[in-house]
Amino acid sequence: GENVEQHPSTLSVQEGDSAVIKCTYSDSASNYFPWYKQELGKGPQLIIDIRSNVGEKKDQRIAVTLNKTAKHFSLHITETQPEDSAVYFCAASKADYKLSFGAGTTVTVRA
Amino acid sequence: ETGVTQTPRHLVMGMTNKKSLKCEQHLGHNAMYWYKQSAKKPLELMFVYSLEERVENNSVPSRFSPECPNSSHLFLHLHTLQPEDSALYLCASSQDGKRGRNIQYFGAGTRLSVL
Repeated sequence: GENVEQHPSTLSVQEGDSAVIKCTYSDSASNYFPWYKQELGKGPQLIIDIRSNVGEKKDQRIAVTLNKTAKHFSLHITETQPEDSAVYFCAASKADYKLSFGAGTTVTVRA
Repeated sequence: ETGVTQTPRHLVMGMTNKKSLKCEQHLGHNAMYWYKQSAKKPLELMFVYSLEERVENNSVPSRFSPECPNSSHLFLHLHTLQPEDSALYLCASSQDGKRGRNIQYFGAGTRLSVL
């Protein structure tokens, strides 16, 4: 089955700086890659996703890049703010029911 | 508010108890999911229902028993659990998991402690 690895497990950044989280996947048939944000006491919520026919996607301060050849994808958060502090999960899917998740990255934005 | 409501939010049970977790979605979705979330581990998919039919069961122990009476409600019945079953149990729903973007909407979870 699909195996998704996520790094780093924790990330501390100064407010206003950028944060980058990287994920690798094992199954070359995977073609859908969402990112979820989980705040304390809440369930994960989708923040951005990308399909394999696109190399990059941006939504305001967040962006995702995909390298199909290397089988890795990354989340970029620019101009970080305190409300960006949360746990972020990457996932990979072959456009069926199953999402394979990474282990998560705890992001802390220091004021 | 994600449109997926889970109750109870917290549950403490003994190893011999029987309890049930409830999930309700108000999004008109066709697929519902149960996940187990343990600290520092990836979310583990337990069960998937599509149009009330179970389509995936990831070798979950029989002490966990799902039930999907209709497309808006999902239950997880628990009996004779073990301490290692303590975790956050998340419910999710999606429009249609079979094609394209499988955007799953999660509830806030039930924090389960087994004593």
